[in-house]
Amino acid sequence: NAGVTQTPKFRILKIGQSMTLQCTQDMNHNYMYWYRQDPGMGLKLIYYSVGAGITDKGEVPNGYNVSRSTTEDFPLRLELAAPSQTSVYFCASSDGYNSPLHFGNGTRLTVT
Amino acid sequence: AQTVTQSQPEMSVQEAETVTLSCTYDTSESDYYLFWYKQPPSRQMILVIRQEAYKQQNATENRFSVNFQKAAKSFSLKISDSQLGDAAMYFCAYREDSNYQLIWGAGTKLIIKP
Repeated sequence: NAGVTQTPKFRILKIGQSMTLQCTQDMNHNYMYWYRQDPGMGLKLIYYSVGAGITDKGEVPNGYNVSRSTTEDFPLRLELAAPSQTSVYFCASSDGYNSPLHFGNGTRLTVT
Repeated sequence: AQTVTQSQPEMSVQEAETVTLSCTYDTSESDYYLFWYKQPPSRQMILVIRQEAYKQQNATENRFSVNFQKAAKSFSLKISDSQLGDAAMYFCAYREDSNYQLIWGAGTKLIIKP
C-alpha cells in the first residue's frame, strides 16, 4: 500500500519556468491538500480539495494552480516560478475533514 | 487570527529519559482540535497524537502523552522512555472544528543523546 506518492523528490527551476508537482493517493480519500514548508516554519496550506472536481484556495495560493479530475490525483502547477517559491512541498490526504492527514514524502523545489 | 507558538527551537534528552515539548496557541473558538506531528529526516509528516478540545482527558499513545490546559491554551507533548528513533522535528498544529486548515507551529528539533 503506497499511501500518498509525490514526484519528483527534488527539482531545480529557473525563474519564469513552469512545472507540475504530481501527487497521487491509493487510499480512496476524498480530501487532498497541498502545503509548503519554508525553513524554520510550519506548513502553510496552498490549496485543498474535498473531492473530484472541487478545489479551493488555502492560506497562500498565489502563484499556484491545482486541478482534481480524479479522486486519486491532485497535481500542483507553478506557472512562472519565482525565488519566493523555493520551499518543500507536501501533499496530504484524508478520508474526512476530521480525519488524520496522510502525508507524502515531499518535493524540495529550488528556484534560481 | 489563530496562531500556534512553539517556544523551543531545539531540545535534547538522554536516551530512556523523559522530555516535554511546549506548545501554546491563541484562539477565540471553543471547539477545535490539536495535533502533534513528527517529521524525521525522511521528511514525511507522521501524526503522533491528537486531542479534541471538548475532551477533558489528556490523550495518550503508548510513550506519548499530552498535557492539555484549555484555559491556559497550552498543549505540551511528553515523551517517556526516549528512544533514538524519536529524534525528529516535532510540530504542534491547531484546527477549528469547522475549518479544513491546519495552523502549524514552527517546530521543535528533538535530539536524543545515546
